[in-house]
Amino acid sequence: QSALTQPASVSGSPGQSITISCTGTSSDVGGYKYVSWYQQHPGKAPKLMIYDVSNRPSGISNRFSGSKSGNTASLTISGLQAEDEADYYCSSYTSSSTLVFGGGTKLTVL
Amino acid sequence: QVQLQESGPGLVKPSQTLSLTCTVSGGSISSGDYYWSWIRQPPGKGLEWIGYIYYSGSTYNNPSLRSRVTISVDTSKNQFSLKLSSVTAADTAVYYCARDHSYGYGTFDYWGQGTLVTVSS
Repeated sequence: QSALTQPASVSGSPGQSITISCTGTSSDVGGYKYVSWYQQHPGKAPKLMIYDVSNRPSGISNRFSGSKSGNTASLTISGLQAEDEADYYCSSYTSSSTLVFGGGTKLTVL
Repeated sequence: QVQLQESGPGLVKPSQTLSLTCTVSGGSISSGDYYWSWIRQPPGKGLEWIGYIYYSGSTYNNPSLRSRVTISVDTSKNQFSLKLSSVTAADTAVYYCARDHSYGYGTFDYWGQGTLVTVSS
């Protein structure tokens, strides 16, 4: 199984909005609603930010939103803050009953 | 509050078997409400799903690792474990255990802090 495709890096200034894409195939992202997004700060465990494409767990800011179109899922962060600087990973369930992650995107807040 | 804690040797020799245990507190594995997974992250690289187990003992593993991976559960101790055989330097990684609240569909809402396992002679 191949990793989902994410941009290696994105950047934005405080207050701006950024979007991170996650591209797969019809056998994973495009075929299921089970796409999640995780935030990981250096030396820390990943933290669930979005699940089932667009749902936010309790306690996650509404500045974080998720969507999907075809084989590509997206994470949008609005009102960018310094604390949002981190690595972000998408994941998806697959038709092989396995789970696959994206390669990760480093978000830099300028 | 659910907490997960990985434990096991931090150094394993090549060709040997890596063994880790995840102890769950604040919730019971036997509740049957969740699946329990192992995920790893090589230094400076991305996440890789290893496999999951249900309280009943049913498991499913990453095909790329399947022949080397054994995941087991001990409900009496509220623990689940990972064994990875015939390790090489490529298995050096931070290993995380995590709770999946979507019955195996990959929504990991609680994670352990992770434990670094280095494969070296």
